[in-house]
Amino acid sequence: EVQLVESGGGLVQPGRSLRLSCAASGFTFDDYAMHWVRQAPGKGLEWVSGISWNSGSIGYADSVKGRFTISRDNAKNSLYLQMNSLRAEDTALYYCAKVDYRFRFDPWGQGTLVTVSS
Amino acid sequence: EIVMTQSPATLSVSPGERATLSCRASQSVSSNLAWYQQKPGQAPRLLIYGASTRATGIPARFSGSGSGTEFTLTISSLQSEDFAVYYCQQYNNWPSLTFGGGTKVEIK
Repeated sequence: EVQLVESGGGLVQPGRSLRLSCAASGFTFDDYAMHWVRQAPGKGLEWVSGISWNSGSIGYADSVKGRFTISRDNAKNSLYLQMNSLRAEDTALYYCAKVDYRFRFDPWGQGTLVTVSS
Repeated sequence: EIVMTQSPATLSVSPGERATLSCRASQSVSSNLAWYQQKPGQAPRLLIYGASTRATGIPARFSGSGSGTEFTLTISSLQSEDFAVYYCQQYNNWPSLTFGGGTKVEIK
């Protein structure tokens, strides 16, 4: 069974940093791209970032470009999101998702909550 | 950035009735469109990809159609478990992917 477990969320002050992790199991991790999607409280889904299986292709939403960095460690079956210069508008539940060559986001983890507030 | 616009924002439907949800792209995304279902407190679930192909395990009452800029998700006969929020997503413009704002399907 495919499992994706996010961690690393919490309460952080504006301007500070946080690193999210996503631990993957139940599939061959380095066969798939991985992405982050977030959802602000009571709002819709917003794609944040994605990384190909070998880290050779990476993309970011304009809202996080230059502040967030996605990475992965295939030896550890793990995906990361380094978030710097955090803002109140980054407050959201952050999901990781397994993504295949047809850009099917399936499945998703249960998310980790990031709250940016002073 | 390609903007995805979903309508209506809320759709009130009685169980057993048909629901039709729309998604419009600000420019052509070919057939590179997916639909996701999200229930309260749960992660989204993939329903449709390639505009019209059902994902594994998705019931036949869910169908997708369209290409270019206009897309439709149809639920032929709503079941109680189908009341949820539905999102469309384009993946034609990598490395920029975008979701629509969502349509909430509620019980009438």
